[in-house]
Parts: sequence; C-alpha cells; structure tokens
Amino acid sequence: DIQMTQSPSTLSASVGDSVTITCRASQSIGSWLAWHQQRPGKAPKLLIFDASRLESGVPSRFSGSGSGTEFTLTIRGLQPDDFATYYCQQYNSPLFTFGQGTRLEIK
Amino acid sequence: EVQLVESGGGLVKPGGSLRLSCATSGFTFSAFAMTWVRQAPGKGLEWVSSISSRSAYIRYSDSLKGRFTISRDDAQNSLYLQMNSLTAEDTAVYYCARAAGFGESLVDYWGQGTLVTVSS
Repeated sequence: DIQMTQSPSTLSASVGDSVTITCRASQSIGSWLAWHQQRPGKAPKLLIFDASRLESGVPSRFSGSGSGTEFTLTIRGLQPDDFATYYCQQYNSPLFTFGQGTRLEIK
Repeated sequence: EVQLVESGGGLVKPGGSLRLSCATSGFTFSAFAMTWVRQAPGKGLEWVSSISSRSAYIRYSDSLKGRFTISRDDAQNSLYLQMNSLTAEDTAVYYCARAAGFGESLVDYWGQGTLVTVSS
C-alpha cells in the first residue's frame, strides 16, 4: 500500500495568515492527489484534486501544488471557517489511502 | 445536487452484525464507483471498501479480514455494507462516498456518515 505522511500534525495560525501543509507519498503517485477539509463534527469535503485543481465552489485562497511524492496545500488569508482538519488522499492506486490529517487551529 | 444519505448505524454487541445503507440522488448512480470510508473516534480517515460501476470489481481493505461485504443496487440508487463479526475496533463513523476520476478512486462527494458503536 502507498503510505501518505502529512506534516505538521497540528498547525496554529491566526485569521489572515497564510499556511502550508505538506503531504509525502511513499512512492510516486504522479499528480493523483486530493485534499479534503473536515470541519468538527462534519463530513469531509473535497477541496483540490489532481494535485492542483480547485473543486467547484472552493475559494481561490486555497491552492495545491506538487507531483511525484511531495505535495503542498497552501491557504492564503485564513478565514474563521478554514480552521479544520485537512487530509490528503492518493488515488494513484485503487487501494486509495489518506494522510493522517493536519489539524489547523486558531492561535 | 449530489446527495448521499447513510443509515443503519447503531449500537451492536461484539460478534454481531450490521448492514449499512446509502441512498443516493442527484447523479447517475450506475455510472460511478462507490466506496465506504470510516473514521474511528478522534482518528483519521480509513478506506474500507470500493465497488465499481456495474460491480465489475470489488476491493476491501486487508484489515477487514473478510468480514465485510459491499454491494450496490443500481435500480434503487443505493449502496450497502454488510458487516459481520464486529469488534470494538470497528467502532467508527462510516461514510458513503462517490469515487470518480483516475482509477475511480478520487472521493469527490461524501455522505454525512452513520455511527457504528460496537460494545457490550
């Protein structure tokens, strides 16, 4: 199975800040990488797919980059609704896997 | 609007069984692969099982050890998960999700989840 490792596990930031979350794959996955946002008590929601393509309706302050084994999610100008947990997901393999999550908390 | 609504969760004793259902609407169900993902309390997301369109392929996480069975009814636009020999480690919120994109493995829509609690 392809292992996905996110860093950091927890990130503290303030409204208006910019933050970056990293996701590393145990082997190359091309650009088959998605980012999901999960607010407390809610279902996850797809934000970005194919490493850098924004899902419809997702604000442009979210962006993704990377290919191969290293990927990043950047959020510019944090809004109160952005404080949530973020998961990367690889779909290079039918046995898709998630990173362990990055919890973004208010400083 | 794509909607996925899970049901069937609840409290079950160790060794018991439960069948989860997922009713869908807003898209052509038969054309898409579907998947179950679970989340234990306070933990991350774990893929459980996937079924392709027309049930051409079915895959399970190795951790299930053959206890779960995924199925679909395209006439009813519904997805199911039969869970047997449940243990405390199966306690989780179970999400039904649509899978699309490359390899039909990109989760693009999620249900709201149904809680399964395994306890005596």
